[in-house]
Amino acid sequence: DAKTTQPPSMDCAEGRAANLPCNHSTISGNEYVYWYRQIHSQGPQYIIHGLKNNETNEMASLIITEDRKSSTLILPHATLRDTAVYYCIVRVPHGSSNTGKLIFGQGTTLQVKP
Amino acid sequence: NAGVTQTPKFQVLKTGQSMTLQCAQDMNHEYMSWYRQDPGMGLRLIHYSVGAGITDQGEVPNGYNVSRSTTEDFPLRLLSAAPSQTSVYFCASSDYNEQFFGPGTRLTVL
Repeated sequence: DAKTTQPPSMDCAEGRAANLPCNHSTISGNEYVYWYRQIHSQGPQYIIHGLKNNETNEMASLIITEDRKSSTLILPHATLRDTAVYYCIVRVPHGSSNTGKLIFGQGTTLQVKP
Repeated sequence: NAGVTQTPKFQVLKTGQSMTLQCAQDMNHEYMSWYRQDPGMGLRLIHYSVGAGITDQGEVPNGYNVSRSTTEDFPLRLLSAAPSQTSVYFCASSDYNEQFFGPGTRLTVL
């Protein structure tokens, strides 16, 4: 699985958009970009994933650059409950030799401030 | 639908003791994994399973054993606990795209 690079911490004002960057310059053509978050000491929670097109769901949007070497997770209207560690992970989905495995880095600690 | 459950929530062991961390899921997922998380660190993969009867090692397998006799259960065994195994342990099961994590077991080895 490709390695990812994320800033260790970011701040965001409540109600504003939070934009979390991730670099994955060695990503392979069949690897997806996944985002998870971990609130306090809970188990990580899936947010969103994508291959090359931008994706949006009820939680967030994922913008992937055309060369796929970087991506940005966008929380459109951050709330205090979005304070968490956000992990960007690249991997091949099930059906490959990496089935079921996620390789976590250090992530970005997002602090949403009132 | 309980999702992924883990027991116990907290455990204190003495060096050399053995124990089993339990993990169960009711989503009929084939894929299950165990991770450990040390303070200030990301999660590291210990062992994983792609189905009943099939297990494989992750990044940090030493000191841990697993088995997968049923689709629902994936226990993690510590054979002889060491202080270096003090950590928070997360179990996960996954469908094609998403991993679902349990609430974690906080283990302290004295």
